[in-house]
Amino acid sequence: QKEVEQNSGPLSVPEGAIASLNCTYSDRGSQSFFWYRQYSGKSPELIMSIYSNGDKEDGRFTAQLNKASQYVSLLIRDSQPSDSATYLCALHTGTASKLTFGTGTRLQVTL
Amino acid sequence: EAGVAQSPRYKIIEKRQSVAFWCNPISGHATLYWYQQILGQGPKLLIQFQNNGVVDDSQLPKDRFSAERLKGVDSTLKIQPAKLEDSAVYLCASSLTGQGAGEAFFGQGTRLTVV
Repeated sequence: QKEVEQNSGPLSVPEGAIASLNCTYSDRGSQSFFWYRQYSGKSPELIMSIYSNGDKEDGRFTAQLNKASQYVSLLIRDSQPSDSATYLCALHTGTASKLTFGTGTRLQVTL
Repeated sequence: EAGVAQSPRYKIIEKRQSVAFWCNPISGHATLYWYQQILGQGPKLLIQFQNNGVVDDSQLPKDRFSAERLKGVDSTLKIQPAKLEDSAVYLCASSLTGQGAGEAFFGQGTRLTVV
């Protein structure tokens, strides 16, 4: 079982819709969770971090964490063509542990 | 604030040759990561340093890859000898420790092509 699992996509949503990106993980000891965005040909950039169960909102982005279900998600409201990118889920099992990435989900926002 | 610096940006070598990549992290960031990203895949952690100690190198092919972080600042990743399957983007990232660990900032990467 992979440490971090994501559907590779592509996930296609129309402009203005809500995009829902999901991630599951295997290590129940995981403590910190992150969403990175990677445009084609560019490096990943951090967009959200979440450390406790529940929702965390930042502008059009909402991260959701459910440690009991080992599930973390990212919602993008009012999707824009500029949101088209690969979204990488990452996690830490502790502050001195390795930072592990999933394979990423490619999002396409269509006009 | 200056970002993570990497060099070179691009490198083309023949198989069995050697190559080295350099990374300068953000000032004050104790944690430094080297990732390998093959096209269409997520970043794969090769080695993670905290200061000049190794946190994890379980996925580093130690028969051909080596990395060092002298004085807990700059880092060098070396491949010797290179294989065709080493063609990838090599990403360096850095982060704080403690609560900020995992909030990593990435350099522009080095695109390696082995022919």
